[in-house]
Amino acid sequence: AQTVTQSQPEMSVQEAETVTLSCTYDTSESDYYLFWYKQPPSRQMILVIRQEAYKQQNATENRFSVNFQKAAKSFSLKISDSQLGDAAMYFCAYRSWAGGTSYGKLTFGQGTILTVHP
Amino acid sequence: GAVVSQHPSRVICKSGTSVKIECRSLDFQATTMFWYRQFPKQSLMLMATSNEGSKATYEQGVEKDKFLINHASLTLSTLTVTSAHPEDSSFYICSAPPEGTGNTEAFFGQGTRLTVV
Repeated sequence: AQTVTQSQPEMSVQEAETVTLSCTYDTSESDYYLFWYKQPPSRQMILVIRQEAYKQQNATENRFSVNFQKAAKSFSLKISDSQLGDAAMYFCAYRSWAGGTSYGKLTFGQGTILTVHP
Repeated sequence: GAVVSQHPSRVICKSGTSVKIECRSLDFQATTMFWYRQFPKQSLMLMATSNEGSKATYEQGVEKDKFLINHASLTLSTLTVTSAHPEDSSFYICSAPPEGTGNTEAFFGQGTRLTVV
């Protein structure tokens, strides 16, 4: 079974600064997806960024980028130029590449609460 | 893009009553849906996998008789919390995998905040 670990229960950052959220995972699979989700106070799950394990290039979405280290099973999220609207709970998630009854099932980390100070 | 609609968003019920939560895929067919439970400031814990036309698969420790799941059509899965008690108060979220949508990420409902008094 796969596990996802976020070792930072809470993080804080000043507006306009950069912050990095950590995530490690454990799997015996070679093909999989990794995601970062944002959950604001509304509790709607919002996809921030995705990474396919077969891609060596780190994914980037505007101010959000990841550092994907497959051998180390590490998947950190960097938020640049932090904004007040980035304040939320962030979840790292793993999804197997395989189909079958587990298709689409996500394994989540414990979450990191990000506070942005003005 | 694909949308999953979950209803109701909030519900308050009396202890001992049952509550039904609906999860609909609005513009795609979902043969599988997942139901998660989330306590405040905690992660999403998978409760069960809902399979269209067959029995749901429950995670270890989840009471099948308390959390009844029905997936009678390709666009609707329901979670019924039976004989609810205050400890069942939580946030429940459904999601559908991106099968047939061309996406790689799952689609989430808006969630349901259940309060049992």
